[in-house]
Amino acid sequence: GAGVSQTPSNKVTEKGKYVELRCDPISGHTALYWYRQSLGQGPEFLIYFQGTGAADDSGLPNDRFFAVRPEGSVSTLKIQRTERGDSAVYLCASSPHLDRDTEAFFGQGTRLTVV
Amino acid sequence: QKEVEQNSGPLSVPEGAIASLNCTYSDRGSQSFFWYRQYSGKSPELIMSIYSNGDKEDGRFTAQLNKASQYVSLLIRDSQPSDSATYLCAVNMHAVGSSNTGKLIFGQGTTLQVKP
Repeated sequence: GAGVSQTPSNKVTEKGKYVELRCDPISGHTALYWYRQSLGQGPEFLIYFQGTGAADDSGLPNDRFFAVRPEGSVSTLKIQRTERGDSAVYLCASSPHLDRDTEAFFGQGTRLTVV
Repeated sequence: QKEVEQNSGPLSVPEGAIASLNCTYSDRGSQSFFWYRQYSGKSPELIMSIYSNGDKEDGRFTAQLNKASQYVSLLIRDSQPSDSATYLCAVNMHAVGSSNTGKLIFGQGTTLQVKP
């Protein structure tokens, strides 16, 4: 497909478990962003990649959260020892990031519920 | 101070009116500005981008940027009930000491209600 793809679309997990959320960006986009969105709030920045490296991970809330993008395309957001407060929609976006062309396009999101 | 600020609303306008949505940002070096529309239960959809001071028009939408005032706005002319959604302002924060653009930061969004 031509758009950003996120899997799974829904994930229910028990408190304390480990989860992985996957993002497949638009082909050729070098920048990839992860956000978390709670009801009634705007997307909260978590981390952004430029190529394979994390250019800015200042939004990751604590060391339970980690993200990788080993080949500069697909990215995985990993959450260890999940807590009920981690429940949210996790959004991924990608951007060509060429000069000022930084228009970012979102996937449909993964709704994470920690019970 | 939040990096990107918007009034959460709701902003209610009658059908056919002009809706005006506003956003301020803190990073004076920011170069790229975006408006996204988000329907309930859906992901954000890009509707406008603006990079230079002044106005940019696309159909019924006009984005306005004033870098000196660190202010960006979105006008929606001839508002329709289908425009009812949350509108998110996003700013690409300048990476200090770098020629590269930085992280994309969102405001909390303004809920627009267009009443028939």
